This record gives sequence, C-alpha cells and structure tokens, in this order.
Amino acid sequence: DTAVSQTPKYLVTQMGNDKSIKCEQNLGHDTMYWYKQDSKKFLKIMFSYNNKELIINETVPNRFSPKSPDKAHLNLHINSLELGDSAVYFCASSPSGGTYTDTQYFGPGTRLTVL
Amino acid sequence: AQKVTQAQTEISVVEKEDVTLDCVYETRDTTYYLFWYKQPPSGELVFLIRRNSFDEQNEISGRYSWNFQKSTSSFNFTITASQVVDSAVYFCALSEARAAGNKLTFGGGTRVLVKP
Repeated sequence: DTAVSQTPKYLVTQMGNDKSIKCEQNLGHDTMYWYKQDSKKFLKIMFSYNNKELIINETVPNRFSPKSPDKAHLNLHINSLELGDSAVYFCASSPSGGTYTDTQYFGPGTRLTVL
Repeated sequence: AQKVTQAQTEISVVEKEDVTLDCVYETRDTTYYLFWYKQPPSGELVFLIRRNSFDEQNEISGRYSWNFQKSTSSFNFTITASQVVDSAVYFCALSEARAAGNKLTFGGGTRVLVKP
C-alpha cells in the first residue's frame, strides 16, 4: 500500500564504490523527483522526470545519474562515492506534468553513509 | 539569496502550549504555491498543506492553522494545544510558476520539541 517506496532504507558503503537507490510509486503520478537532505536537514532538489523525460537537472556532479525505466520508477545511481555524498536521499512524485501547482509526495528516504 | 527563510531553528514548548512557526519567502513571481511539510523523528516527509498565491484565506485543520499574508510574504503555521506527537521538524516550501518543472525550494526547517 506504500505510495512512494525506496530501497534500501539504509546504505553504508566505502568511498569509491558505486551504488544505486531505487524508487517506485504506485500513485499513477507522471512526475518523479530526487532530493538530497544534508546533515543540517537542508533539502535540495536534484532531478525531476516527467514520463521518463528529464525536466530538472540541478547542479549535481555527473557522478549522479538518474534513470527512469518507466513513469512509476526513478532510480538514482551514484558512481565513485565520496564522503560528502553522505546524506538522506528522498524520492517524491506528483500527479501531473510537473507543474508548480502539484503537491509532491515523498518516500521514506534512504540514508546513505559513505565511510 | 535564500528564497524561503525559517528564522526559528528550534522551538521548545510544554504540552498544551500553542506554537507558531514563521515562514518568510521571496519571489518575483506573482503566481506561486506555498507548502508545509512535517518530518517526524522517523524521518519521512509528510505533506500538510498547500496554498496558492491568490488565496489569502487563512485555514484551520483541527489543531493546525495557517496564516498567509502576501503583504509581508509570510506563511505562518500555528499548532494549538501542542502534543508530544507534534514533535518534528517542519518545513515551509515554495514552488514558482516560472521555474522549470515543479521545483520545490525548502526553508531550513524548524525543529519543534513538545515536552510532556
């Protein structure tokens, strides 16, 4: 029944590794997002996809690559992990074409720790 | 320049006290939406309310109420008769019509601690 789900919930890995976080929504929404929440709780958008098309690509290192196999899924792949990548990553979705009027519904978050 | 400012980083109250969270935003857009989200200790982000820039009516939902004033660019949130379960970090956010996609710009959050 979970509307927006993410796996894994916790991810601990070594510097230099490559890892992926998966996100799925069963709300029938057209747009999905990735946000990063740093240690001070500050939330910042990274990417958004509308129907598998990249809409927002904020200033994010190109080690981060989102992939949307279909409109219900948006995965985040991170190459060559660095200590500064440690954060909580939130996936979100919104109903329509990613317009400013839409409410975004968030997943439970994935806490990534890079050692 | 920060577009959404939540000046209070932490507020501590005793149960049953009222608590008001301030949110001041900055935008050149005349068309925008404002949101409040709650992040309890369990970590998820829970949507509470949204308000469009043309609707300055205040809203009450149970113990929660919101005061939107365009003249002061503020969208404040009050919890009446606070309970321990209200302990959380509360975020105010802005989405602007002219911004590409549906980019939510968040404030830094206000941590509310309600003591029994």
